[in-house]
Amino acid sequence: SQTIHQWPATLVQPVGSPLSLECTVEGTSNPNLYWYRQAAGRGLQLLFYSVGIGQISSEVPQNLSASRPQDRQFILSSKKLLLSDSGFYLCAWSSGFGYTFGSGTRLTVV
Amino acid sequence: KQEVTQIPAALSVPEGENLVLNCSFTDSAIYNLQWFRQDPGKGLTSLLLIQSSQREQTSGRLNASLDKSSGRSTLYIAASQPGDSATYLCALTNQAGTALIFGKGTTLSVSS
Repeated sequence: SQTIHQWPATLVQPVGSPLSLECTVEGTSNPNLYWYRQAAGRGLQLLFYSVGIGQISSEVPQNLSASRPQDRQFILSSKKLLLSDSGFYLCAWSSGFGYTFGSGTRLTVV
Repeated sequence: KQEVTQIPAALSVPEGENLVLNCSFTDSAIYNLQWFRQDPGKGLTSLLLIQSSQREQTSGRLNASLDKSSGRSTLYIAASQPGDSATYLCALTNQAGTALIFGKGTTLSVSS
């Protein structure tokens, strides 16, 4: 069966520090992968999606970036965090038969 | 641009009541529509997936319908329970492989 792992679950980082969130998928190959952010009181916002290794599409211009170094690995990064980067980050994958989400990372930038 | 709206934003009902959550979308050319549940501070759990050729899907006490011509989907919950308390999100894709577009959700509270 397919599973999606996302870590860490919670993270508190100072402004200006770097960020690396990792997401891995098991039990499938060549999935479409997605990063979403859910800010307090707002809906889910698509940040990045990837249809293959090294292929990244950005939906929202910001100081975040994404990479896909392996088929089932998707990484969200930042060189310098801003207060506005706080939120709940969710990784997801799709196979054409619906979308499956990870358990999320709660990021608080202080 | 596809927009997804969920009404009401919040709903409180007593245990045992049947209820309907509504989702509307502006572009009827959708590929899939999916209903999710989100508990506070948690990720999203998929409840039901309706493909564009389908009109409804059922799982236990849940039934989701899709009417593309009117741009609407409903999630029906029968005999609600306190454990059903959560935020319910409607999301859809316009074509295969594209990202989900979400509504802002309906927060349901079921009191015992």
